Amino acid sequence: GDSVTQMEGPVTLSEEAFLTINCTYTATGYPSLFWYVQYPGEGLQLLLKATKADDKGSNKGFEATYRKETTSFHLEKGSVQVSDSAVYFCAPNQAGTALIFGKGTTLSVSS
Amino acid sequence: GAVVSQHPSWVICKSGTSVKIECRSLDFQATTMFWYRQFPKQSLMLMATSNEGSKATYEQGVEKDKFLINHASLTLSTLTVTSAHPEDSSFYICSARREERGVREQFFGPGTRLTVL
Repeated sequence: GDSVTQMEGPVTLSEEAFLTINCTYTATGYPSLFWYVQYPGEGLQLLLKATKADDKGSNKGFEATYRKETTSFHLEKGSVQVSDSAVYFCAPNQAGTALIFGKGTTLSVSS
Repeated sequence: GAVVSQHPSWVICKSGTSVKIECRSLDFQATTMFWYRQFPKQSLMLMATSNEGSKATYEQGVEKDKFLINHASLTLSTLTVTSAHPEDSSFYICSARREERGVREQFFGPGTRLTVL
């Protein structure tokens, strides 16, 4: 089945620093790729997605590009804010089957 | 956008009692919903797939008699934790799958925090 590997956290940054959270996946076929964010005490929110190779998903200053050749979907943001502190989950998904999540990466941004 | 609600948002119960959690898709129909649980500082683990009008499909290691799932309508799935014990304390999250013009997407509820005393 599909699986995902995310960089180990926690990631601790100062405000306005550059963020990269690595994500690589294994999947049969041609999955869509998602990043979800979970703020403390809350459920999951879709952050961004990409459905085909070389697509770039973007939202709230975050970006990720679907790299089929390296099976990666790394999340980046040029300047993080304290309000970005959360847990980030990368997930491949095939045609609406249940999303399977990796361990998540905790981001902590200090002012 | 598509909205999924869960009720209650949190519940505290005594050991041995049963607790029902509702998951509703508010502005779309969902023949398929998914139930996850999340322990503190851990990832979401898929428990089961809930299919409207048929039996749920449980993941390996999830007790179907312990976690009863009923998907009675196209907008409602319920998860009942029967004879709850402290080790069932967790954050339960549902998602509903919307299919529109051949595109399938999942939308997550806000979660229900269950504490069993």
